[in-house]
Amino acid sequence: KQEVTQIPAALSVPEGENLVLNCSFTDSAIYNLQWFRQDPGKGLTSLLLIQSSQREQTSGRLNASLDKSSGRSTLYIAASQPGDSATYLCAVRPGTASKLTFGTGTRLQVTL
Amino acid sequence: GAVVSQHPSWVICKSGTSVKIECRSLDFQATTMFWYRQFPKQSLMLMATSNEGSKATYEQGVEKDKFLINHASLTLSTLTVTSAHPEDSSFYICSASEGTGGLDEQFFGPGTRLTVL
Repeated sequence: KQEVTQIPAALSVPEGENLVLNCSFTDSAIYNLQWFRQDPGKGLTSLLLIQSSQREQTSGRLNASLDKSSGRSTLYIAASQPGDSATYLCAVRPGTASKLTFGTGTRLQVTL
Repeated sequence: GAVVSQHPSWVICKSGTSVKIECRSLDFQATTMFWYRQFPKQSLMLMATSNEGSKATYEQGVEKDKFLINHASLTLSTLTVTSAHPEDSSFYICSASEGTGGLDEQFFGPGTRLTVL
């Protein structure tokens, strides 16, 4: 059974810092991995989707990497801003099914 | 991008009543829809997967008679929580994808907060 873990569970950084969020998964046979952002009481916003054949994806200040063999993905946020404060979730999709397995999430707070 | 809406965004009901939540894909045809629930400060847990015109597939431990899912059209799926109890209070989120194989990207709705008194 796929298990997805995110470390740290919570993180507080001052504005302007670069930061890395980690996601690990136990079964490396994945179809893709996706990073989401969730604001309090809201739904999910997709940030980046990495196919299993890709090593990284970039969008603006965000860069996500994928090392399938070691079961790890990182989300790098450059020059953090207070507006980046949210919970970040990673989710993996197995190769043969449509189900997403979500990680436990990292609550990020960027302070002024 | 693809847009998914949910209605209502929040609902409060008395214990024992039934509540229906709608999930709509606004600008694409959703062959497959998914229903998740999320408890406070926890991650999303998949409840069921539904394909248009067929019965939903429920995850282990999810009571299909309690959580009725209907996916009658390519743009609408409904989740009915029957005889709701306080322990059913949660945040319910749907997602939708276009592909028939279910491997297409899922687009998520904004969620529905259910509070059962």
